[in-house]
Parts: sequence; structure tokens; C-alpha cells
Amino acid sequence: QSVLTQPPSVSAAPGQRVTITCSGSSSNIGSHHVTWYHHLPGTAPKLLIYEDNKRPSGIPDRFSGSKSGTSATLGITGLQTGDEADYYCATWDDTVGAGVFGGGTKLTVL
Amino acid sequence: QVQLVQSGAEVKKPGASVKVSCKASGYSFTSNHVHWVRQAPGQGLEWIGIIYGSDGSTRHAQKFQGRVSMARDTSTSTFYMELSSLRSEDTAIYYCARETGASGGIPFDYWGQGTLVTVSS
Repeated sequence: QSVLTQPPSVSAAPGQRVTITCSGSSSNIGSHHVTWYHHLPGTAPKLLIYEDNKRPSGIPDRFSGSKSGTSATLGITGLQTGDEADYYCATWDDTVGAGVFGGGTKLTVL
Repeated sequence: QVQLVQSGAEVKKPGASVKVSCKASGYSFTSNHVHWVRQAPGQGLEWIGIIYGSDGSTRHAQKFQGRVSMARDTSTSTFYMELSSLRSEDTAIYYCARETGASGGIPFDYWGQGTLVTVSS
């Protein structure tokens, strides 16, 4: 059971917009920046969003991040079939003194 | 360019230990923290621990207390993660990952290619 809660799956049609939520607590999201990763199983995860809403170079502006209180949201617009992957939120948790990941959300582009 | 190159796949028996290496290149070895993360089959990403760049000290998830050891060798720019008393549930792909200079949230900009550790009798 993950400290950070994500929906197991989300889906939307190509070209549409989807959001993935990540719910935590005051000891993690409420106190630290949130990071989002794109992951295809068997390959190394890719950094998508850091410090809640910043994109590394090379990540298109179709991807956005936001945070409010103890929850964070990843938004993806203009969905493409190539966006199908697992998406994970992550941060540090002061209570357990460890890094924590959400359980992951599988995105399906219908 | 920054690279993290991990050691090859391992097959271990229950109760044994495994040591995975991660050789860094393309950046100042001590300038970034390095983390270890794993993914078991059909499961999500799981944080194992961190080796701090400044002094090489380590911290790990409570779940691995007493079983995990992490270290670095500055002479070879290599990080190590050793897991002992292996059980079948430790079967997973193990990754090393470099933390960026960003402030908090465990942002990893470079990852090793992953090392598959299989625990089977």
C-alpha cells in the first residue's frame, strides 16, 4: 500500500486531455516538491515533472504539473497513442524518512 | 554525457546476497545524490535508499532495515547496493538513479539501465 495514492488507471481518446491525481499528506506532498515520472515497464523511468510544475528540457508543454495542499496533479493535453505508459508521482516523506512513490497510474489512449 | 551503467543480471537462491554496481560517468561523481529504486514484476516503483553525494552517507527505507547496504567507491566512480537474505519477493529490476540539483521531491534525471535480480530455488 503506497503512501501516495494514485488512480490505478485512466483513459481518454487521442487529442483529449487527461489528469492524474496523487494524494498524500502533510508529511510528504504537503512539505516537499512532487516529481512525476513516465515509465514503460522494462525500461528506465523518465523524468517528466519536477518541483511540482517544472519540465526538464525535451519534455513538451503538453505535460503540466500542479500542486495544492497535500495533492498533486499531472495533466496531459493533446493525447497521443505514444503517451500510453505508467505514470508515477514521487516525493520525500518526513514521517518515514524515505522517498516514496505513488502506486502508479496506467494511461490508456483509446 | 552523463551515464549510469549497471552490472548484469543475477540469479540467486533464497537466503543469498546480491551486490549490484552502478558506474557513473560524465559528471562530477560527488556532486549529486544517487538513489536505488526497484520494480518487482507487476508492481510499482519502490524506493530503496540514497547515497548522499557530499559525504557518501546513506539512508534506506525501513522495509530493508538490516538487509541493505549501500556504498560508493570514489576511485572508480561506482555505486553499490547489496541486499542480503534474499527472498522470492526481492525478484525485481533494480535501478540506480541520479538526483538532479533541484530542491526535493526525489527528481531523478539519469537512470541506469536496470539490473534484473531473480531469486529462485
